[in-house]
This record gives sequence, C-alpha cells and structure tokens, in this order.
Amino acid sequence: NAGVTQTPKFQVLKTGQSMTLQCAQDMNHNSMYWYRQDPGMGLRLIYYSASEGTTDKGEVPNGYNVSRLNKREFSLRLESAAPSQTSVYFCASSVGTAGNTIYFGEGSWLTVV
Amino acid sequence: AQSVTQLGSHVSVSEGALVLLRCNYSSSVPPYLFWYVQYPNQGLQLLLKYTSAATLVKGINGFEAEFKKSETSFHLTKPSAHMSDAAEYFCAVTLSGGSYIPTFGRGTSLIVHP
Repeated sequence: NAGVTQTPKFQVLKTGQSMTLQCAQDMNHNSMYWYRQDPGMGLRLIYYSASEGTTDKGEVPNGYNVSRLNKREFSLRLESAAPSQTSVYFCASSVGTAGNTIYFGEGSWLTVV
Repeated sequence: AQSVTQLGSHVSVSEGALVLLRCNYSSSVPPYLFWYVQYPNQGLQLLLKYTSAATLVKGINGFEAEFKKSETSFHLTKPSAHMSDAAEYFCAVTLSGGSYIPTFGRGTSLIVHP
C-alpha cells in the first residue's frame, strides 16, 4: 500500500551543494507534482508534470529542475542549494483531471546551512 | 483564475466543542473544492471534497462541509472536537473545465485543549 514514496526524508546540505529528491508513485497516475511548504505560506507548487514526457513550471520554480523519468517517477533537483531553499518538500500525484484527489508523499525535510 | 482564503491561521477549541474552519473561494466557473488534513510530520490526505453533487459533503472522522455558492464558502465543521483532530487543515480549489491543478489556502492549525 505504498502510494507516493519520496526519498530522502531528511537531508542537510551546505550552501552550493546539489542534491536530487526522488519520488515514485504506484497508482498509475498521469500527473505528478512537487510542492514546498513553509510556515505561514501554505503549499506552493514548484513544478508539475501533466503526463510522462512533459514538465511545467509552477509558482516558485527558480533554483530547481525536474525530470519525469517515466510514468512512475518524478525527481526534483537543486543544482546549487541556497538557505532560502530550506523547506519541507512534498511530492504528489493524481489522475490529472479537475475534481480528482491529489495523493501526497510523507515529505522531505531539507536544511541548507 | 481561482483563489482560496482561509480565515484564521490558528483556531483553538476545547475537547468536545464545535470545530469551525472557514474557507472562501474565488472562481469564475463552478469550482471543485477540497479539504485536506496534515497531521504532524506527515503528508496531506483528503478529508472530503465537493464535486457538484450534494452541497453538504461528509468526510472522514466526523467532519463535514457545506458548499454555499451565494457566500462563495466551503466551511469545515465537526460537532465535537477530539484531541486527535489537532492538525493543519488546508482548503483547495480546482475549476470544472479548467486547470486540474489545485490552488491551496495557507492552512489553519487546529489546536484542541483538554
């Protein structure tokens, strides 16, 4: 009963380092998303993928890149981490039509020092 | 474009008291509306959703919400709070015939006192 699985759960980076957050879903969903959650800011969409082979910017894409590796997997890369990217990151997936539920992973806590 | 406003970043109630979390939306076409709950150190999970059927929607754990078009509201209620209801609650909207990507409110933290 995995749903959406993301790794790692916790990570500490130094400013300027790079890293990739991995995400996989086993629900055969078309659409996948990356959000960040910051205190008082709610959830903000970083990037999304409507279907395999496509990706689009969300509200806060600067400093991030994504790859939709196949239908199951959607990774988020920080090329040169900055303290402003300290946040909790959530991967999510859905069928991809209005009215459908979005299913979230358990989150990845990232600290950039 | 759509937007969601959650009134109150924190709501505090006593155990057994009524829970009322407010959500107002703005959209130019009929909306789909959602409430998600986030327990500490976990991801969000669906509590309930309105997709143009019955205006009173019942969800998990005794929560319900009523879609009121005239008031552009979708407030979440529960008659009697339980300690286990302490969590962050998010209202979200998508548009029928429009983008399926939801717009989330900023969240309301529900605090339940013994």
